[in-house]
Parts: sequence; C-alpha cells; structure tokens
Amino acid sequence: GQNIDQPTEMTATEGAIVQINCTYQTSGFNGLFWYQQHAGEAPTFLSYNVLDGLEEKGRFSSFLSRSKGYSYLLLKELQMKDSASYLCAVRSDDYKLSFGAGTTVTVRA
Amino acid sequence: GAGVSQTPSNKVTEKGKYVELRCDPISGHTALYWYRQSLGQGPEFLIYFQGTGAADDSGLPNDRFFAVRPEGSVSTLKIQRTERGDSAVYLCASSLLTGELFFGEGSRLTVL
Repeated sequence: GQNIDQPTEMTATEGAIVQINCTYQTSGFNGLFWYQQHAGEAPTFLSYNVLDGLEEKGRFSSFLSRSKGYSYLLLKELQMKDSASYLCAVRSDDYKLSFGAGTTVTVRA
Repeated sequence: GAGVSQTPSNKVTEKGKYVELRCDPISGHTALYWYRQSLGQGPEFLIYFQGTGAADDSGLPNDRFFAVRPEGSVSTLKIQRTERGDSAVYLCASSLLTGELFFGEGSRLTVL
C-alpha cells in the first residue's frame, strides 16, 4: 500500500512563494500527481511527475526524487485565489491512485 | 457530456436505507475511480474499474458497499443498510489508463 505525508496547513503572503512537501512510501511507483481543491469543489489536476526532476507549468512547479520518495509543489507569485487544499497523490503499478490528506494553503493580503 | 457527471448531487437518507450513486465518465475513458472524502481529509480510495471489471476494490470498507460498471461506461456505487458514518462526499473520477484523473462534482451523502 501507500503511505503519503504532507503538512496540514501553510500560510503565506500574496506575491510570495510557498513550497509544499510530500513524502511517500509505496510498493510500486508509477507516477506522482498534484491536485488543487477549493472548498466545496472537486479536485483539479495541477501536475504530474514520473521521472526525477522539475516540471514547470506557469506559476506552479513540481519536483520529484524517486530514490528519496519525495516531491514538492512550488507556488510562485501567490494570489488570493491560490487559497485552497493541495493534494499529493501517488499512482502504483496497477494504476491505483492514492491521495494524501492534503495541505491547506491560506494566502493573506 | 464534456466532464464527469455525478447524480444525485445531494442525498439525505435515514439510517438503514439503501442508496445508489451514479457516475457518468468522460466518453472514451477506460478507467473509473470511486473515492470518499470527509471534511478536512483527502479523497479515500474505494474502488477502481478498468473497463467493466473491478481492477482493485481493496478500499471498499465492508460488504455493505458494492459498485458495478456493466457496460464499461456508467458506474453505480451501491450502499446497503446505510450508517451515519457513511456520511461523506463520494467522488467519481475517470481517466485514460496513463493519464490524469478528471473528477466529477461529487455526491454529498448525509445519513440521519
């Protein structure tokens, strides 16, 4: 099975940078996803990493180290609309996707 | 439709009743997932279909929960003898085998 850990809450100022860490243990690794979920809404896809390294997509970047079982999501130039829960999810060899508990990010003016 | 559709969006029922939740995935998506999410928690995996068959049902909490996908498209999650602890948002998602999951808006179940 999977064990996925991420911080419960983070707070940052508008315009700043926040890094959300995720560590995982899995019996078979087949990719790591980050999703954003606003309160009362469905999760929406942000990024996907299957090889080591950094994937950049606009203000959001995601990094993966398979040997360390570690990923982070970097949010730059924070905006008020980025206040949401950020979910780290790991896909195993059989394509089952398991989620962490989520990190609630609060952006303050 | 363009996205994943779930019905009903809200369901209030009494303890002990039977409930069915429906999911209509994105056309052409072979994989379909069911998750359960409680307030302040991440989505909890229930079951995953590849085509018509359940590829992994290890997340179903007990034998009161059952899901089907008879024609490889629409899926129904069935809950028998509902309990108050079953109250949650039930999320459905679909994907191509190797792609990202696209989620529906969820069905909020409240068991009184």
